[in-house]
Amino acid sequence: EAQVTQNPRYLITVTGKKLTVTCSQNMNHEYMSWYRQDPGLGLRQIYYSMNVEVTDKGDVPEGYKVSRKEKRNFPLILESPSPNQTSLYFCASSLSPTSGIRAGELFFGEGSRLTVL
Amino acid sequence: QKEVEQNSGPLSVPEGAIASLNCTYSDRVSQSFFWYRQYSGKSPELIMSIYSNGDKEDGRFTAQLNKASQYVSLLIRDSQPSDSATYLCAVNTGFQKLVFGTGTRLLVSP
Repeated sequence: EAQVTQNPRYLITVTGKKLTVTCSQNMNHEYMSWYRQDPGLGLRQIYYSMNVEVTDKGDVPEGYKVSRKEKRNFPLILESPSPNQTSLYFCASSLSPTSGIRAGELFFGEGSRLTVL
Repeated sequence: QKEVEQNSGPLSVPEGAIASLNCTYSDRVSQSFFWYRQYSGKSPELIMSIYSNGDKEDGRFTAQLNKASQYVSLLIRDSQPSDSATYLCAVNTGFQKLVFGTGTRLLVSP
């Protein structure tokens, strides 16, 4: 079954305690991206990756890091989480590069709800 | 002005009616447009994409695009309670970037 898998699905942590949210896709997609979703603000892109070892900032990258060492995995790292990073996080992948006309056909993971106290 | 704007709703329609969801965008060179459905507590799911002016139909769903007016809409015919969800409009802007609207909440009452 084609899917994007995120872990953990739910996490409560404390300010400053480093954490990693993993994301893995089994569709051989080149493009992967992280979004956060907050009430009234919608989905905002954190980082994206066009392919292995190629990553770039989205709209709200502050406080986050990513890496893309393998095509299927795109972990999101919060080095020192703060309460304003409390949010619902989605990983997404796409076969199409962002420059193609079909770019925007994203497959989303189930989401990771993070609370930072 | 927001890049992609949607009325947050909720839009309430009775079962069997047509639900009309609207979206406007600011970047004139945007090329492709998408509608995602998101049930409460779930992830967004792509339901329609449209790339050229006019209508595109898929089952009970019709996407409409008017690039001159920078307007895209989603019509849901014969609305069902199971259609109750938040519908996100997404636009692939000229800067090779996908921008999401904040979504319209649709409530279909039996």
